[in-house]
Amino acid sequence: QKEVEQDPGPLSVPEGAIVSLNCTYSNSAFQYFMWYRQYSRKGPELLMYTYSSGNKEDGRFTAQVDKSSKYISLFIRDSQPSDSATYLCAIGGYQKVTFGIGTKLQVIP
Amino acid sequence: GAVVSQHPSWVICKSGTSVKIECRSLDFQATTMFWYRQFPKQSLMLMATSNEGSKATYEQGVEKDKFLINHASLTLSTLTVTSAHPEDSSFYICSAVWGSGYNEQFFGPGTRLTVL
Repeated sequence: QKEVEQDPGPLSVPEGAIVSLNCTYSNSAFQYFMWYRQYSRKGPELLMYTYSSGNKEDGRFTAQVDKSSKYISLFIRDSQPSDSATYLCAIGGYQKVTFGIGTKLQVIP
Repeated sequence: GAVVSQHPSWVICKSGTSVKIECRSLDFQATTMFWYRQFPKQSLMLMATSNEGSKATYEQGVEKDKFLINHASLTLSTLTVTSAHPEDSSFYICSAVWGSGYNEQFFGPGTRLTVL
């Protein structure tokens, strides 16, 4: 079993839709949870970072963590064509981060 | 956020040659730098962790004699792919951390290596 599982997609949605991206993980020792956005041929950039279970909101983005289910989600409201990218979940322990495979999202104008 | 640069952004080389990739933290001192590799349609895979002034720690399955990592200063780490082969063609990304433990990793833009 992979440490972090993520559906690679691709996921196509119309502009303005609410997008839901998800990952599951297997190691309960992981301490912190992140979502990165990666545009083609670029390095990943951090979107959201959280330690605890619950929701964290930043603008149109909401990260949700359920430690009991080992399940994390990223919601994007009012999606825009500029949101089209690959979204990677990342789960971390001490100085080590394990990435999901990434979900490719396309927002169609 | 903090800025990490990589050079070159892309490189094409012949099989059997060596290639050096630089990773620099531009506005902070990075106590630790990480090197990742990303094959098409796959996730970032950690290759090694390097702390300034000490030997890198390699992940299982990564050949330390093939992927030489030097972290000579708090702002520069280099990855040298020795005797590169076509299967080494990949996207190599570094990240840097200030401090220790759970601090955020700042990623470089990546280097696309193509070995002919």
